[in-house]
Amino acid sequence: DTAVSQTPKYLVTQMGNDKSIKCEQNLGHDTMYWYKQDSKKFLKIMFSYNNKELIINETVPNRFSPKSPDKAHLNLHINSLELGDSAVYFCASSQGGANQPQHFGDGTRLSIL
Amino acid sequence: KQEVTQIPAALSVPEGENLVLNCSFTDSAIYNLQWFRQDPGKGLTSLLLIQSSQREQTSGRLNASLDKSSGRSTLYIAASQPGDSATYLCAVPYGGSQGNLIFGKGTKLSVKP
Repeated sequence: DTAVSQTPKYLVTQMGNDKSIKCEQNLGHDTMYWYKQDSKKFLKIMFSYNNKELIINETVPNRFSPKSPDKAHLNLHINSLELGDSAVYFCASSQGGANQPQHFGDGTRLSIL
Repeated sequence: KQEVTQIPAALSVPEGENLVLNCSFTDSAIYNLQWFRQDPGKGLTSLLLIQSSQREQTSGRLNASLDKSSGRSTLYIAASQPGDSATYLCAVPYGGSQGNLIFGKGTKLSVKP
């Protein structure tokens, strides 16, 4: 059973389009995250969310928005895609926030044409 | 602002050698420090998490140490094997209790048979 699963694994689309990446965790965790790994393999936090609070990294453009239909899901919506959005996006989850290990999905590779 | 640095950026060793990967962080007020492994095209696998009150954690051939006062952690890998080849990342939670991770840029390890 995959603990943190993301779909799709690959996403190729054109500039200006709107797309979503889905994330689901079956670990019963209360906090979920989105990270971006750029072409130089550097990982940066984008969002963290539990049922009480959304924390947004101030460098993330407002074209990116997380949406959580329930505790087990945190989807990432991206509007008006730009070339610079090409990256691998990772979803993660943990129980209790900072004091517990985070479990990562396998990533979604987004390529903008 | 928390910054995490990993040295060296890349390391190549023959099979069977013991090795040490280094991680340093600028702000010692951390909850914990987590070591991850990333295989090419894959997500991150959590290896070890050391709480701020601990000095070290061990899992099989891996031993991670933490010196908060000096802002350093090391990951020791004993009797390295080709299957250990991967990128190793360290990360600390920052910016509140939700645990948004700040990552180093990783050390790419190659273990040659």
